[in-house]
Formats: sequence, C-alpha cells, structure tokens
Amino acid sequence: EVQLVESGGGLVQPGRSLRLSCAASGFTFDDYTMIWVRQAPGKGLEWVSSISWNSGTIRYGDSVKGRFTISRDNAKSSLYLQMNNLTPEDTAFYYCVKGGTIAWGQGTLVTVSS
Amino acid sequence: NFTLTQPHSVSESPGKTITISCTGSSGSIASRYVQWYQQRPGSAPTTIIYDDYRRPSGVPDRFSGSIDSSSNSASLTISGLKTEDEADYYCQSYDNSNWVFGGGTKLTVL
Repeated sequence: EVQLVESGGGLVQPGRSLRLSCAASGFTFDDYTMIWVRQAPGKGLEWVSSISWNSGTIRYGDSVKGRFTISRDNAKSSLYLQMNNLTPEDTAFYYCVKGGTIAWGQGTLVTVSS
Repeated sequence: NFTLTQPHSVSESPGKTITISCTGSSGSIASRYVQWYQQRPGSAPTTIIYDDYRRPSGVPDRFSGSIDSSSNSASLTISGLKTEDEADYYCQSYDNSNWVFGGGTKLTVL
C-alpha cells in the first residue's frame, strides 16, 4: 500500500524558513515523479512544484519560484520542500503527491503569522 | 496559460446521476491527460480518475471520466449517487508539464 507521510509543518513568522519532508513507502520511490500541492484554508488546490525521478527535471509554480526548493533522496525514499522568505499567503496544507497512479499524503499545515 | 473551469457547485438527489464538467481554456484538452480528485470535508484529496478515464483500484465503477473534444472539456459522471459522495471534486491536467487545477466543484447530495 502506498503511504506518503508529510512532516515539518508548523507556525512560522513571515520572512522565516521551513523545510517539509515526505516519507514514502509501499512503492519503488525512484520510479516516479513526485509533487507538492498546497491548499489554503477554505480554498482550492494549487500546484507548488514537481521533481522527476532522477531530479533532472524540476518545475515550480509562479507563486513560489525563487523562494521554494524541491529535492529528493531516493536512497531514503524521501521528498523535501525547502521554503524560504515565507509570507502569510503561503499558509496552507501542503500535500506530498506521487506521480503515475496519483496518490496523496494526508498533508501538513504551514501557518505563516507573526 | 492553460486554465480549467469547473462549475462552483452542483446538487442532486440520492440514486440519481450527475456530471461535472471541466473546460479547458485553450489548446486541446484531449491532448493532455485529465485527473479527477475527490476531497471530503476535513480530509486530503484522493484520486478517483486518472489518465482521462482510468479508475484506481478500490474506486467504484459508479465513477467514470470522459473527454469531449468538441467542447474541449472533460467530464466526471457519478451514477447512483450516495450521500457519501458529497464532497469537493477537482479536475487537473497539464500545461507544459506544469500541473493545472480546476477551481473545484462542491457536490451536494440531498
């Protein structure tokens, strides 16, 4: 069974940084593109970033480009999202998503507030 | 930029059939795969349709997906509606490999 477990969320002040992690299991991690998707409270889904199986292709949504960095460690079956210079508009649930037959984690909440 | 438009809300009675549309802004939606996600209140999204019409294991065949090139739209059809189908539904596709989501449709089963 595919499992994606996010961690690292919490309350952070504007301008600070946070690193999210996603531990994957139940599938061959390095076979798949991995994705981060976020959802602000009461709002719709927003694609944040994608990374190919070998990290050769990385893409970012316009709202996070230049501030967020996606990475992965295939040896640890883990996905990461380094978030810098956070603003209140980054407040959201952040979901780790597996490509292919798409599977979702349960999400981790990031709150940016002073 | 390619965008997807969904109705904000739909409603129908239990046992009936409903179709939710997802219309592409430009370019052929038929040339890109479309996924559909269900999100119940307080829960993470789950995939109910991928690659236009395929269902992950465990998703009942009451859920089906299709593409209509003439209207440049994708559709999610749910037959035999149940109260448990009440949720938000999102379509998703691609724009130059970037993910694009529709705004979501709230389904009320009453």
